[in-house]
Amino acid sequence: GENVEQHPSTLSVQEGDSAVIKCTYSDSASNYFPWYKQELGKRPQLIIDIRSNVGEKKDQRIAVTLNKTAKHFSLHITETQPEDSAVYFCAASLGGQNFVFGPGTRLSVLP
Amino acid sequence: EAGVAQSPRYKIIEKRQSVAFWCNPISGHATLYWYQQILGQGPKLLIQFQNNGVVDDSQLPKDRFSAERLKGVDSTLKIQPAKLEDSAVYLCASSWGQGTYEQYFGPGTRLTVT
Repeated sequence: GENVEQHPSTLSVQEGDSAVIKCTYSDSASNYFPWYKQELGKRPQLIIDIRSNVGEKKDQRIAVTLNKTAKHFSLHITETQPEDSAVYFCAASLGGQNFVFGPGTRLSVLP
Repeated sequence: EAGVAQSPRYKIIEKRQSVAFWCNPISGHATLYWYQQILGQGPKLLIQFQNNGVVDDSQLPKDRFSAERLKGVDSTLKIQPAKLEDSAVYLCASSWGQGTYEQYFGPGTRLTVT
């Protein structure tokens, strides 16, 4: 079955700097890759996603890149702000099924 | 639109007792998911429904966990009997299905088994 690894497990950046979180997956058939943000005690919220027919997707300060050959995808956050502090989860799915989440990255944005 | 609703929000039970969780998805969403999120880990998919049919329950511990979505709308997840290791947040999520995969999560039920 699918296995998703995520690095780093914790990340601290200065406000205004960029943050990058990387995930690798094992099943080459996976074709949908969402990223979720989870604040303490809250529900996961979808922040961006990408499908396997696209290499990059951007939404304001957030971008995701996908390398199907290497089976890895990354989340990029630019101009980080304190409200970006949270746990970020990546996931991989085949056609909206068999969702497998990574273990999470705790991002701290220091003022 | 209203979000995914779950109840109860918190539950404390003793081991070997039973417990049930309820989820009402976003109106019109055909696909419903139940996840288990242990503290400090990512959500783990337990079961996925498409309307009232099970799509994937490969990670559901069927000796103690059961779930149903009889009318293709709301769903219940039951644990009987509970074990200490079942302590977790149980998240319900829904999506439109049919080629759209974006999931919307409910607030979760925090279960503590003592």
